[in-house]
Amino acid sequence: DIQMTQSPSSLSASVGDRVTITCRASQGISNYLAWFQQKPGKAPKSLIYAASSLQSGVPSKFSGSGSGTDFTLSISSLQPEDSATYYCQQYNNYPLTFGGGTKVEIK
Amino acid sequence: EVQLLESGGGLVQPGGSLRLACAASGFTFSSYVMHWVRQAPGKGLEWVSGISGSADKTYYADSVKGRFTISRDNSKNALYLQMSSLRADDTAVYYCAKGYCSGGVCRGPDWGPGTLVTVSS
Repeated sequence: DIQMTQSPSSLSASVGDRVTITCRASQGISNYLAWFQQKPGKAPKSLIYAASSLQSGVPSKFSGSGSGTDFTLSISSLQPEDSATYYCQQYNNYPLTFGGGTKVEIK
Repeated sequence: EVQLLESGGGLVQPGGSLRLACAASGFTFSSYVMHWVRQAPGKGLEWVSGISGSADKTYYADSVKGRFTISRDNSKNALYLQMSSLRADDTAVYYCAKGYCSGGVCRGPDWGPGTLVTVSS
């Protein structure tokens, strides 16, 4: 199985900051990597697919990059509504696997 | 607009069975792989199972293999998860999710709101 390692597990940043979350795959997954945002009590929401493609309707402040084993999600100009937990997922091979999540808090 | 709505969750005793359903609308259901993903209380997301559009291929996490069965009825735009030999660690919110690509057109998955399964005596 492909292991997905996310870092950091949590972060605290100020309004207006740019934050970056990293996801590393235990083996190459090409660009079959997605990012999700989840707020408490809600279903996950798709942000990025194919490592860098922005889901329709998602603000351009969210961006993804990477290929192979190393990927990043960046959020520019952090706002209070961005407070959430973010997950990466590889969909190159079954079983599909998620990273452990990154909780983003606003200072 | 894509809509997914899970049902069938509830309280079940250890060793018991439960069948979840997901009603889909707003897209060509038979063209997409469909998935079940779960989230235990306070924990992260765990992929559970997937099924091809034509239902000829099924996939399972090791944690549920042999106990859970995924199926679909394309005539009803419905996805199912038959769960048996349930254990306390199966307690979770179960989400239905639409797959990534069809006919070369891809986007991130759409998700249902989830249904809670509680395994407890």
